[in-house]
Amino acid sequence: EADIYQTPRYLVIGTGKKITLECSQTMGHDKMYWYQQDPGMELHLIHYSYGVNSTEKGDLSSESTVSRIRTEHFPLTLESARPSHTSQYLCASSDLVYTDTQYFGPGTRLTVL
Amino acid sequence: AQTVTQSQPEMSVQEAETVTLSCTYDTSENNYYLFWYKQPPSRQMILVIRQEAYKQQNATENRFSVNFQKAAKSFSLKISDSQLGDTAMYFCAFVYNAGNMLTFGGGTRLMVKP
Repeated sequence: EADIYQTPRYLVIGTGKKITLECSQTMGHDKMYWYQQDPGMELHLIHYSYGVNSTEKGDLSSESTVSRIRTEHFPLTLESARPSHTSQYLCASSDLVYTDTQYFGPGTRLTVL
Repeated sequence: AQTVTQSQPEMSVQEAETVTLSCTYDTSENNYYLFWYKQPPSRQMILVIRQEAYKQQNATENRFSVNFQKAAKSFSLKISDSQLGDTAMYFCAFVYNAGNMLTFGGGTRLMVKP
């Protein structure tokens, strides 16, 4: 069954650690996105990709980086986590050609101590 | 720039009753898509319903229907026969063509009470 996956679902780490949040989709979608969702639940786009080797920054400035080496995989990396990075991170994908309906992963809830 | 406004931060409804969530948007585009997404507590965000702006007929999906008023730039979601499982954050979203980003509203937290 086609779907979008995120791991880990929950992560608690100490300040200064490097972390990578994984996102994979099996729908063959070209476009992928990372959103940060704050405690008030508002969604902020932090990164997106149109396809392999394409990455762009979103509306909200973020210290994270992303890569898109394979169509199905769009990991997000924080080189040195800080408490201000504590948030929910949502990955999504969409089919560029036929529709721009986005499909979301289950999210990663990150807590940086 | 496009904006999406959800004026109701929180709402509640009794089980089996009907509730309407409001959404307004601002755009100068003529062809676009509108969406309602549902995010249950600690669970995945899922698409509830989708509306193409060129279609005059309001979209429906089982108990969920929209009232799309293009001239007024309004896109409300009606949930009929509310169920406890409808308790969630609901986000209204807009995109004006397939190559652009979704713009989300701030969300409405809906609680269905038994």
